[in-house]
Amino acid sequence: EAQVTQNPRYLITVTGKKLTVTCSQNMNHEYMSWYRQDPGLGLRQIYYSMNVEVTDKGDVPEGYKVSRKEKRNFPLILESPSPNQTSLYFCASSHGQGESPLHFGNGTRLTVT
Amino acid sequence: AQSVTQPDIHITVSEGASLELRCNYSYGATPYLFWYVQSPGQGLQLLLKYFSGDTLVQGIKGFEAEFKRSQSSFNLRKPSVHWSDAAEYFCAVVSTGGGNKLTFGTGTQLKVEL
Repeated sequence: EAQVTQNPRYLITVTGKKLTVTCSQNMNHEYMSWYRQDPGLGLRQIYYSMNVEVTDKGDVPEGYKVSRKEKRNFPLILESPSPNQTSLYFCASSHGQGESPLHFGNGTRLTVT
Repeated sequence: AQSVTQPDIHITVSEGASLELRCNYSYGATPYLFWYVQSPGQGLQLLLKYFSGDTLVQGIKGFEAEFKRSQSSFNLRKPSVHWSDAAEYFCAVVSTGGGNKLTFGTGTQLKVEL
């Protein structure tokens, strides 16, 4: 089954404790992206990757890092999480052309205390 | 910069009634437009998309949307709503920067009364 898999689904952590949210897709997509969803703000792009070893900032990249060492994986790293990063995070992938729809994972709900 | 406006934060309809969710976009060229649905605890699922051609597009689950360039709108419609349609709906446009970046509206929460 074609899918984007994120782990974990839920995560509660404390300020400053490094964490990684994993994302993997099995559709051989070139393009992958991370979004955060906050009430009243919709989804905002954090980082994206056009292909292996090619990443770039989205609209809200501060406090986040990503890497793309393999085509299927695109982890999101929070090296020193803060409470304002409490949010619902989505990973998404596509073939990379503008008309190609994004396929989304089921989300990771992160709480930073 | 591209932007998407969904003016209705919440909408409540009775089961069996018709539905229209509004979406207005700001974009310089011909846009790529999408509607996604998010059920509780789930990711976003594509309902339909518009790139070019026929301005009335059909999607899954009985939804359709009409692109109106003169009004910069891409409203989502369904003739008869089912209780299972209760969800949050997002309109999105592909931005010119950042490859396949979608710019999303803030969403419309649909409640269906039985």
